[in-house]
Amino acid sequence: QSALTQPASVSGSPGQSITISCTGTSSDVGFYDYVSWYQQHPGKAPKLIIYDVTNRPSGVSNRFSGSKSGNTASLTISGLQAEDEADYYCRSLTSSSTWVFGGGTKLTVL
Amino acid sequence: EVQLVESGGGLIQPGGSLRLSCAASGFTVSSNDMSWVRQAPGKGLEWVSVIYSGGSTRYADSVKGRFTIFRDNSKNTLYLQMDSLRAEDTAVFYCARGRRFDLWGRGTLVTVSS
Repeated sequence: QSALTQPASVSGSPGQSITISCTGTSSDVGFYDYVSWYQQHPGKAPKLIIYDVTNRPSGVSNRFSGSKSGNTASLTISGLQAEDEADYYCRSLTSSSTWVFGGGTKLTVL
Repeated sequence: EVQLVESGGGLIQPGGSLRLSCAASGFTVSSNDMSWVRQAPGKGLEWVSVIYSGGSTRYADSVKGRFTIFRDNSKNTLYLQMDSLRAEDTAVFYCARGRRFDLWGRGTLVTVSS
């Protein structure tokens, strides 16, 4: 049950686009299309922003998008805004019917 | 209102036991997969356990044999029984709904320290 691999930090200027990667294995990210992404602001509970690789829950900005290629999933945030500054986590189902998170990525909006 | 409210956290000595509760409102716990997720101070999210709607359970290797997840359908509440607690179990514990983890509670802090 090793954590999925995410970059520790990414940054971008307002209006720019950034992409956060999430690398797993053929037993989790690569096997299922059950990859989700969560946004967490300091002191707050995580919030679902992408599910099943590419889907956005109702109310989530279309500036957030997800994709997957092989064992790596990606979250792209376009038109960066100050309120996007937060920690982001990916999560995947595993072949053991357990769940695994990525280590998290801190997004800084410059 | 659809929400989850965790309770039961606190300060406990190493080796002790604690039971966390997650009270649901606005939906039925037993009709959903329900999970516990924890976050150690300053660290990332760690999945802990799931109880699927059918009743089967799974655990992270780090808690297997020490933690037990269960639900009380009459109270519409999810629980996490935590035994043989260790310092490294210190964390905020969240409950989350469904396969998507689309609804989270605010969390309850568990501190394991002598």
